[in-house]
Amino acid sequence: DTGVSQNPRHKITKRGQNVTFRCDPISEHNRLYWYRQTLGQGPEFLTYFQNEAQLEKSRLLSDRFSAERPKGSFSTLEIQRTEQGDSAMYLCASPGQGPTGELFFGEGSRLTVL
Amino acid sequence: AQSVTQPDIHITVSEGASLELRCNYSYGATPYLFWYVQSPGQGLQLLLKYFSGDTLVQGIKGFEAEFKRSQSSFNLRKPSVHWSDAAEYFCAVGPRMDSSYKLIFGSGTRLLVRP
Repeated sequence: DTGVSQNPRHKITKRGQNVTFRCDPISEHNRLYWYRQTLGQGPEFLTYFQNEAQLEKSRLLSDRFSAERPKGSFSTLEIQRTEQGDSAMYLCASPGQGPTGELFFGEGSRLTVL
Repeated sequence: AQSVTQPDIHITVSEGASLELRCNYSYGATPYLFWYVQSPGQGLQLLLKYFSGDTLVQGIKGFEAEFKRSQSSFNLRKPSVHWSDAAEYFCAVGPRMDSSYKLIFGSGTRLLVRP
């Protein structure tokens, strides 16, 4: 258990619906990361926060995606008007304690768009 | 461009046999280096990391990896594989010169273990 909690673990939705995922990171870290992992691929960076500020967004994050981190604690990732190509595992991560650059990932939220 | 290559999509080994998973990277400067393992439907677990010092690093579950700067490689090894090691393994690199923690992952190697 990395201390990063994500829910829901699985979400099945119909194309065109909106979905929201939540991440509760390791509490003492001010940074939080979202990655996306499609079938047969490694995770790809989406965005990250320092406290409540969204510092960087990948070009993978289209305008249908929005991430927030109100109050610098938990974060949400919303996908509007879902498309079948959005089907993936969405992973949240917190940094490790030291300056060695590792991330600790949650169990992920798997999205299936029908 | 920054990238991580794991040339083997699948590897099958017999239980008790040795294992080596390959990883090569392309990066502007020597990055931080990581190996993660992922069981089906699960998140990623950090196996080991290299950031400085001894180029042979030890990790959890009996895994080790060797950093070779001249070859831009960070191969993962285990002397004797157990059936529970069957999973997908990802090599990743991260920036040393900034604090963004943005990791770049390879596409993974799926390990199958024969009884």
